[in-house]
Amino acid sequence: RKEVEQDPGPFNVPEGATVAFNCTYSNSASQSFFWYRQDCRKEPKLLMSVYSSGNEDGRFTAQLNRASQYISLLIRDSKLSDSATYLCVVNRDGGSQGNLIFGKGTKLSVKP
Amino acid sequence: DTGVSQNPRHKITKRGQNVTFRCDPISEHNRLYWYRQTLGQGPEFLTYFQNEAQLEKSRLLSDRFSAERPKGSFSTLEIQRTEQGDSAMYLCASPLGRSSYNEQFFGPGTRLTVL
Repeated sequence: RKEVEQDPGPFNVPEGATVAFNCTYSNSASQSFFWYRQDCRKEPKLLMSVYSSGNEDGRFTAQLNRASQYISLLIRDSKLSDSATYLCVVNRDGGSQGNLIFGKGTKLSVKP
Repeated sequence: DTGVSQNPRHKITKRGQNVTFRCDPISEHNRLYWYRQTLGQGPEFLTYFQNEAQLEKSRLLSDRFSAERPKGSFSTLEIQRTEQGDSAMYLCASPLGRSSYNEQFFGPGTRLTVL
């Protein structure tokens, strides 16, 4: 089993749609969880950290289910500018200094 | 702009040549990470420094790869006798603050093409 698995995508949605990305991770000791966004040929950029209680930032909502080792990202009212690859990321171990493990990413294309 | 800079941004080299990349992390932060990203994949961890000490190396880091961080400031990643399989984006990352959550912020990367 891969350490971090994501929906393979791509997701092609119209503007205004709601889109959900799912991710599972294998290491139950992981303590930190993130969603990064990556535009074509650019570096990954932190979109949001994912907290145990779930968290929201504008149109973006992230959820964490530790029992199922499952992370999700919901984008509401999608914009053309949301088109990018979304990377699910997990801190490899239970400490605060471990390296990050990335999923392969899910590509989102938002069309007019 | 995350404050992490990398040079060069692009490097084209012939197979068998040596290349060196540089990363200048967010100032005054003691942790620095190197990752590699190939087409269609997420970034993969290569190595990690705390100050000048290299604390962890991935199995991806073969004998041809070496990384240094003299004086705990900038870091260099050298690849000797490059192979076509080394073609990738090499990313450097630094935590922004002292959060225990370990958010990492990436530089723009160095895109290596080995011909």
